[in-house]
Amino acid sequence: GAVVSQHPSRVICKSGTSVKIECRSLDFQATTMFWYRQFPKQSLMLMATSNEGSKATYEQGVEKDKFLINHASLTLSTLTVTSAHPEDSSFYICSASFGGGTDTQYFGPGTRLTVL
Amino acid sequence: TQLLEQSPQFLSIQEGENLTVYCNSSSVFSSLQWYRQEPGEGPVLLVTVVTGGEVKKLKRLTFQFGDARKDSSLHITAAQPGDTGLYLCAGARNDYKLSFGAGTTVTVRA
Repeated sequence: GAVVSQHPSRVICKSGTSVKIECRSLDFQATTMFWYRQFPKQSLMLMATSNEGSKATYEQGVEKDKFLINHASLTLSTLTVTSAHPEDSSFYICSASFGGGTDTQYFGPGTRLTVL
Repeated sequence: TQLLEQSPQFLSIQEGENLTVYCNSSSVFSSLQWYRQEPGEGPVLLVTVVTGGEVKKLKRLTFQFGDARKDSSLHITAAQPGDTGLYLCAGARNDYKLSFGAGTTVTVRA
């Protein structure tokens, strides 16, 4: 149980294009989903918290117009990197939580974004 | 500044040896989670500890949550090459967000 998927697993795009990453909870309903970014050999940095049906809450320093998050249902959240540039290249990972006072987060397999 | 200080940063041991990874903070957490991550993959949950002083065992892995809920340790007995990976601790506070430690890269040599 508690399986989270991400799509695509890898994406290469040209500078200036937008890229959408999907995060799905496959066998449970996720009240809250989180988006993280991870640089090589570093830990996870929280970008934003997404609750179904409401606007995402972004961490300090994360541009909300650059990283658009939509949490349209209890099983799907999307992250769109708009007008991507090479410095946006990174490993993006989502996680999902049951909510209701439960802290445990279940992570997706990650998406490797490379912007040329 | 990392909210959770994880040590050591790197650990390389021979198969069969024991190892301990530490996670320390000055903050109190409602729970603490340990994950293992392999290159190019997402973190996989190993355990969640909630109660101060709690000890959980998963086969050769032993997890302990400090009495004050500010620190935790992960101990692996008789490590195997399959234990190789990046171990991450993450503390949850009242807002349910996780603060991650910097991670410990464990290499177990055959």
